Amino acid sequence: GAVVSQHPSWVICKSGTSVKIECRSLDFQATTMFWYRQFPKQSLMLMATSNEGSKATYEQGVEKDKFLINHASLTLSTLTVTSAHPEDSSFYICSVLGGISYNEQFFGPGTRLTVL
Amino acid sequence: AQKVTQAQTEISVVEKEDVTLDCVYETRDTTYYLFWYKQPPSGELVFLIRRNSFDEQNEISGRYSWNFQKSTSSFNFTITASQVVDSAVYFCALSEDTGFQKLVFGTGTRLLVSP
Repeated sequence: GAVVSQHPSWVICKSGTSVKIECRSLDFQATTMFWYRQFPKQSLMLMATSNEGSKATYEQGVEKDKFLINHASLTLSTLTVTSAHPEDSSFYICSVLGGISYNEQFFGPGTRLTVL
Repeated sequence: AQKVTQAQTEISVVEKEDVTLDCVYETRDTTYYLFWYKQPPSGELVFLIRRNSFDEQNEISGRYSWNFQKSTSSFNFTITASQVVDSAVYFCALSEDTGFQKLVFGTGTRLLVSP
């Protein structure tokens, strides 16, 4: 399977600032990546599907102007939380679509964001 | 719409007990995939199993076993002789077999195994 990394693993920022989270596919060229958000003691919720070279597809209720996704290469997708607020504090997880039949997701280790 | 229900929010057992985690799903697709993931306190998701909708054979992997019952739309997970290291949150998930294979996760079951 694909090896996926995320950076940073955790970040603390002040309210109103922007934070960028990177998701890298280390050994696989990923055309499609996904971004999930997980609030404490809750499930993973898909935020958006990111496709290399095109605009991301956002799930209903996710503000595309607040959560900017860029998938400029086959190994890197970034999620920028703009003008972060305390309610954006969450665990953000990315995944890469791959596998023999291109129907498996391989997950990164996650990034814990705390907005003060 | 697809939906995954994990009715058990938290289960506590003593080491060496067997425990079954329930998963019930809803989908209109005829072809789909079911998954189980483990999320330890570190947060990283650990893939446990993937099963496609045409394969109803039960599977055993060491202390883990899975029971897929299409007739009841269930995909239950059993841990035999549980160990403290099994303590984690377990998620059942469902994906379509078209498009981008989006995953829909259940709400998770927190398993606490005490010594």
